[in-house]
Amino acid sequence: KAGVTQTPRYLIKTRGQQVTLSCSPISGHRSVSWYQQTPGQGLQFLFEYFSETQRNKGNFPGRFSGRQFSNSRSEMNVSTLELGDSALYLCASSLSADSYEQYFGPGTRLTVT
Amino acid sequence: AQTVTQSQPEMSVQEAETVTLSCTYDTSENNYYLFWYKQPPSRQMILVIRQEAYKQQNATENRFSVNFQKAAKSFSLKISDSQLGDTAMYFCAFRSYGGATNKLIFGTGTLLAVQP
Repeated sequence: KAGVTQTPRYLIKTRGQQVTLSCSPISGHRSVSWYQQTPGQGLQFLFEYFSETQRNKGNFPGRFSGRQFSNSRSEMNVSTLELGDSALYLCASSLSADSYEQYFGPGTRLTVT
Repeated sequence: AQTVTQSQPEMSVQEAETVTLSCTYDTSENNYYLFWYKQPPSRQMILVIRQEAYKQQNATENRFSVNFQKAAKSFSLKISDSQLGDTAMYFCAFRSYGGATNKLIFGTGTLLAVQP
């Protein structure tokens, strides 16, 4: 069974632009969570989706948004990029809404210049 | 709000020796899950071990074991017979019990270097 895939793996954007990151969970998994990882703030929860519904949202500005499609694939979007948005964005998939096992993807490394 | 604290930013151990990574947490909940995740230089986060708070028995997975002290809110990871492949960043994480969320709260991590 294929693992969690994230595309693209690396991305360079300019301040003010917007970006869309994609996450394909493990086949059959219906829950997707997103995390931002930076050297200064560590791993921070962005949001969580289950069956196309956002269940939980972290403490991030409204520039960060996401969605989940009927095939459980998820996208996150960051508008009006700032230098501080440079980070590794990790996606994790779970089988259900109450799964303690989460499987992480390799991440998307976003650099904002 | 729950918090997770890892007070050891970096640790080093000789190959084949044993090392213990520390983690403390704060929560008012009685039931929850605790995890140790490993993030090697390749960046893929991997689950090492988990502990359910309602279980008194400490979890063990091969060379990895935990010392879970619920009253003290402590959750340390012991790695026995350390191998070079254990070199990685280790994160302690907390998850509430129940189906309301899968959200993980992470500590700041401990960078473990296994020396040959």
